[in-house]
Amino acid sequence: DGGITQSPKYLFRKEGQNVTLSCEQNLNHDAMYWYRQDPGQGLRLIYYSQIVNDFQKGDIAEGYSVSREKKESFPLTVTSAQKNPTAFYLCASSITVSGQLQETQYFGPGTRLLVL
Amino acid sequence: QKEVEQNSGPLSVPEGAIASLNCTYSDRVSQSFFWYRQYSGKSPELIMSIYSNGDKEDGRFTAQLNKASQYVSLLIRDSQPSDSATYLCAVRGDSWGKLQFGAGTQVVVTP
Repeated sequence: DGGITQSPKYLFRKEGQNVTLSCEQNLNHDAMYWYRQDPGQGLRLIYYSQIVNDFQKGDIAEGYSVSREKKESFPLTVTSAQKNPTAFYLCASSITVSGQLQETQYFGPGTRLLVL
Repeated sequence: QKEVEQNSGPLSVPEGAIASLNCTYSDRVSQSFFWYRQYSGKSPELIMSIYSNGDKEDGRFTAQLNKASQYVSLLIRDSQPSDSATYLCAVRGDSWGKLQFGAGTQVVVTP
């Protein structure tokens, strides 16, 4: 089955700890994205990547880091600098990035991060 | 700041009735519009996309776009309890593909 997988489903972070959220896709999509969703709010873009070994900051990148060493994988690290990390984290992918109005983003199942 | 606005609801709809959801956006050059459905605790799933003014129908769903008035709407006909969810409006402007999301409208279909 093609799709986007995220792990773990739930993640607990201690104060001062860095944690990494996994996102893998086998859809052969070029672009990948990380969003954060807080209760009652829309999705906010953290980072995105158009191609391997390249990524750009989104609207709320502070306290987060990413890498894109493989087309299939786009892990997100929540660093200790992110003071309010409790949220639902969603990874998405799309087949192309620019110039195509009909390009659609598809989402993984999400990771819920909680602070101990 | 480009904005996408939705009524948060909850929108209570009797089973079998039509649910009408609205979304307004501030970026006049927006070109692509999407409706996602999100069940509680789950990730968003795409249900409709629309790119041209007018109506687009897919099963019980109809998306309506009016670029001059900067709004996009979603109609759900013959509403079912399984339609109870939060519906997110997403808008793409003229950039590479970045989506702006509204906060969502919660729909509750009552038997």
